[in-house]
Amino acid sequence: EPEVTQTPSHQVTQMGQEVILRCVPISNHLYFYWYRQILGQKVEFLVSFYNNEISEKSEIFDDQFSVERPDGSNFTLKIRSTKLEDSAMYFCASSDRDSLWQDEQFFGPGTRLTVL
Amino acid sequence: AQSVAQPEDQVNVAEGNPLTVKCTYSVSGNPYLFWYVQYPNRGLQFLLKYITGDNLVKGSYGFEAEFNKSQTSFHLKKPSALVSDSALYFCAVRVGDMRFGAGTRLTVKP
Repeated sequence: EPEVTQTPSHQVTQMGQEVILRCVPISNHLYFYWYRQILGQKVEFLVSFYNNEISEKSEIFDDQFSVERPDGSNFTLKIRSTKLEDSAMYFCASSDRDSLWQDEQFFGPGTRLTVL
Repeated sequence: AQSVAQPEDQVNVAEGNPLTVKCTYSVSGNPYLFWYVQYPNRGLQFLLKYITGDNLVKGSYGFEAEFNKSQTSFHLKKPSALVSDSALYFCAVRVGDMRFGAGTRLTVKP
């Protein structure tokens, strides 16, 4: 069964450093998403991406964050200058349709980001 | 603002007994409601969704959920719990972006 994959599973970085989290969505999917989950808290929406553009983003997704689909298979989340409060589990998701918000999303296993 | 609430952090049931994981929602307009499950070291897996139609929705692994508009609830149920159902369960609502509840940890004891 096809699945979303994410690398690395765990990333440790120093505050102020840039990190890139990588995701490989399911191959025929067209809609891509990033979420984060701070330990013990809710899963929070960050951004959605379709047709090489951001379609929606939350207030969390500020100028420190960016997303890219560099090569038709990978979908990346970049954090330019990490802060301690960026420590969280980051989930990538994809969907083959997004008609009126009715379609389920398929999630990767997550990348645990630890900022020291 | 749209949101979901899962009032129970933890639910414990004995194997073979029915289980219910509660979810209530607050949205303006028609809600699109989802249940996801998370096993250790895995991503969220889709279980079922309510879009429209029959209030009782059947999903994966024998789970079902009942949409109740008057009570603004979307509780997840299973008639007979298995030990392997032990996991973290998330309710979510979508009007635009997906909003998740805080999660409920289900423990099924043999």
